[in-house]
Amino acid sequence: GAGVSQSPSNKVTEKGKDVELRCDPISGHTALYWYRQSLGQGLEFLIYFQGNSAPDKSGLPSDRFSAERTGGSVSTLTIQRTQQEDSAVYLCASSSPGLAGNTQYFGPGTRLTVL
Amino acid sequence: AQSVAQPEDQVNVAEGNPLTVKCTYSVSGNPYLFWYVQYPNRGLQFLLKYITGDNLVKGSYGFEAEFNKSQTSFHLKKPSALVSDSALYFCAVRPPSGNTGKLIFGQGTTLQVKP
Repeated sequence: GAGVSQSPSNKVTEKGKDVELRCDPISGHTALYWYRQSLGQGLEFLIYFQGNSAPDKSGLPSDRFSAERTGGSVSTLTIQRTQQEDSAVYLCASSSPGLAGNTQYFGPGTRLTVL
Repeated sequence: AQSVAQPEDQVNVAEGNPLTVKCTYSVSGNPYLFWYVQYPNRGLQFLLKYITGDNLVKGSYGFEAEFNKSQTSFHLKKPSALVSDSALYFCAVRPPSGNTGKLIFGQGTTLQVKP
């Protein structure tokens, strides 16, 4: 597609449930990032994938958060046993290291609400 | 610690007047610097970036930014503001080598342009 796509656009879940958020990067982009945007914390880096290299998971806030990227394209961010503090907008971005300066292009985000 | 500061939560300008949105950073070495804009319920849109070279960078929608190494600043400017420029603006820095390319964001500045 023309840009980064994310689904669902909105997700409402009950505390304790697991959720999966999907990101489809720009075709040909080898790098993929997940960020979280919340009122109290601003924009925070969560995890980074680059090709076949081991992902950088340094931003994941707890072991309830995990992500995978299958076939070097689509990525899924999974949050287990959701808590109310997980409520936020989850943004995905992709980039190609071949482009100067490694500009990250963002998707529209998934708004997660944990009741 | 590496950080980005946007000292103003909100900037108000009249349409047609010049605007400035301030950004300073604290990163060792020579970072890559970015500005993104976010409209309500949308993802982040890339505006411009500084990688190297000319300190004045021109970007989308008539925006420009000036990199000042001695002041560690990267202020966003536009000579004549439009009502449609009203949005949330984020400054971001990508620290130099030894980093996975993740962006460190400022807290954001809301720009309000009044007719």
